[in-house]
Amino acid sequence: RKEVEQDPGPFNVPEGATVAFNCTYSNSASQSFFWYRQDCRKEPKLLMSVYSSGNEDGRFTAQLNRASQYISLLIRDSKLSDSATYLCVVILSGGSQGNLIFGKGTKLSVKP
Amino acid sequence: EPEVTQTPSHQVTQMGQEVILRCVPISNHLYFYWYRQILGQKVEFLVSFYNNEISEKSEIFDDQFSVERPDGSNFTLKIRSTKLEDSAMYFCASSPDKEYQPQHFGDGTRLSIL
Repeated sequence: RKEVEQDPGPFNVPEGATVAFNCTYSNSASQSFFWYRQDCRKEPKLLMSVYSSGNEDGRFTAQLNRASQYISLLIRDSKLSDSATYLCVVILSGGSQGNLIFGKGTKLSVKP
Repeated sequence: EPEVTQTPSHQVTQMGQEVILRCVPISNHLYFYWYRQILGQKVEFLVSFYNNEISEKSEIFDDQFSVERPDGSNFTLKIRSTKLEDSAMYFCASSPDKEYQPQHFGDGTRLSIL
């Protein structure tokens, strides 16, 4: 079973749409959770950390459900500049020195 | 905003040659990492480094790979005898004084093995 699974997409949405990405992780010892975005042939860039209580940053809302081992990212009022691949990332606890485990990413394309 | 910087941006090397990829982590960070991403695939962990020694390494990080922090600023990844399958983007990352903090990535070195 893959450690971090994401729908690969692509998600093709019009500007202004709301789009949701889901992610599941297999290891219940996962300690920390993040969403990164990656533009084509660029480095991953931290979008936001994900907390159990849920957290919001402007148009972006992240949720974590530890019981279901499920993470989500909601983008409201999507912009052309949101077009990228969104990477779900976890860190394991217990002996791990914090190396990130990446999903393959979900590609988002926002059209005019 | 402080950045992780990597050089070179693109390295082309003949198979069997040694290559050194260089990184300057963010200055007050203590945890350093190398990742790679083969074209079209996910980002994969290679190695983590803390307190001047390897903390953890993946199965990918075999005897052909080594890391070093030769001075107070640089963090290098050496591949001793490159193979075709080493062709990938190599990303350096660093994080602050505690593990489990989000990591900041450099813009990568594209390694092409001929």
